Amino acid sequence: GAGVSQSPSNKVTEKGKDVELRCDPISGHTALYWYRQRLGQGLEFLIYFQGNSAPDKSGLPSDRFSAERTGESVSTLTIQRTQQEDSAVYLCASSGPWPAKNIQYFGAGTRLSVL
Amino acid sequence: GQNIDQPTEMTATEGAIVQINCTYQTSGFNGLFWYQQHAGEAPTFLSYNVLDGLEEKGRFSSFLSRSKGYSYLLLKELQMKDSASYLCAVRDPLGNDYKLSFGAGTTVTVRA
Repeated sequence: GAGVSQSPSNKVTEKGKDVELRCDPISGHTALYWYRQRLGQGLEFLIYFQGNSAPDKSGLPSDRFSAERTGESVSTLTIQRTQQEDSAVYLCASSGPWPAKNIQYFGAGTRLSVL
Repeated sequence: GQNIDQPTEMTATEGAIVQINCTYQTSGFNGLFWYQQHAGEAPTFLSYNVLDGLEEKGRFSSFLSRSKGYSYLLLKELQMKDSASYLCAVRDPLGNDYKLSFGAGTTVTVRA
């Protein structure tokens, strides 16, 4: 696609429910990243996928968070048993091969509100 | 880990110049990025510095001093559409060159 696409753009859920957030990267981009952006804070790295390599999950804040990616396509970020502190904007980014691999291209994010 | 500091807010007048500073404290360094983010939109890439000096790109310029752990983004001939948040990000130097650490962002308001 022309850019990174994320859905839904907004999600309101009740505490304790599970949510799934979707990211469609730019076609041909092998790397995909998830970040969390809390109000007034910087983007916080969550997880990184590169091709068929094992993902780097070092930024996931708890075992309630998980993510999957099939090949070099769509990724889903799942948050189980949501808590109010999970409320944030979840941003996805992708990057391509050299020389553009330094640049991460972002989607508009999913704004998650946990009531 | 990384410690990246930038001012929270700045206000300037249309047509003026604004300089957004970013300081970082890291055990190493592997590149610094600036992104622009309008409210509710995706961050968009502005600049990338890995060597010392000034990189100019139209109305926007970015400067880096690795010895001082310092960068700035210079916005010239400000336009109303430049009102946005500007994010400074440092690339993780510990071999994982794909991981970016972000500052909290600087909200720039351009007034007529």
